[in-house]
Amino acid sequence: AQTVTQSQPEMSVQEAETVTLSCTYDTSESDYYLFWYKQPPSRQMILVIRQEAYKQQNATENRFSVNFQKAAKSFSLKISDSQLGDAAMYFCAYRANAGNMLTFGGGTRLMVKP
Amino acid sequence: EPEVTQTPSHQVTQMGQEVILRCVPISNHLYFYWYRQILGQKVEFLVSFYNNEISEKSEIFDDQFSVERPDGSNFTLKIRSTKLEDSAMYFCASSRGGPNQPQHFGDGTRLSIL
Repeated sequence: AQTVTQSQPEMSVQEAETVTLSCTYDTSESDYYLFWYKQPPSRQMILVIRQEAYKQQNATENRFSVNFQKAAKSFSLKISDSQLGDAAMYFCAYRANAGNMLTFGGGTRLMVKP
Repeated sequence: EPEVTQTPSHQVTQMGQEVILRCVPISNHLYFYWYRQILGQKVEFLVSFYNNEISEKSEIFDDQFSVERPDGSNFTLKIRSTKLEDSAMYFCASSRGGPNQPQHFGDGTRLSIL
């Protein structure tokens, strides 16, 4: 069974600084997808960024980028120029190519200090 | 931007009672999902639904649970005889299809069993 681990329950960052959230996963599959979701307080989970395992190039979406290390089964999220609105729970998630379900990590609560 | 909507936002039910949680997925989406998150634990997959039938379900989704798409817009999760351990946040999600398509989540329904 696949597992996803986020080793940092909480992180904090100064506004305008950069922060990296860690995620590791365990799978025997070679073809899969990885996602980062953001959940602001009392709001729905929103997709931040996704990565296809067959792509070597790291995904980037504006201030958000990932460091995908397939051999190490690592998928970290970097947030540059952090803004107050980035404060939220961040969930890393895995989806096998052949499946429907998302497997989530435990989440990292990000606090942004003004 | 279209959203997944869930009602009610909070449901309080006596143990042993039936409960129905409702979701309106995004209109052109074909795949529908339910997840739950027990307080302090990971978000867990329950079931996926496509073409009017269950396409995948987890071990959690036992005979007490059922899903239905009674009309062209609603997607419901029924728990037949609720237990205390069913208390959790229940999230509905939908996607256009395929593992690389992101799942869009609703705000969730907080279910409290007394």
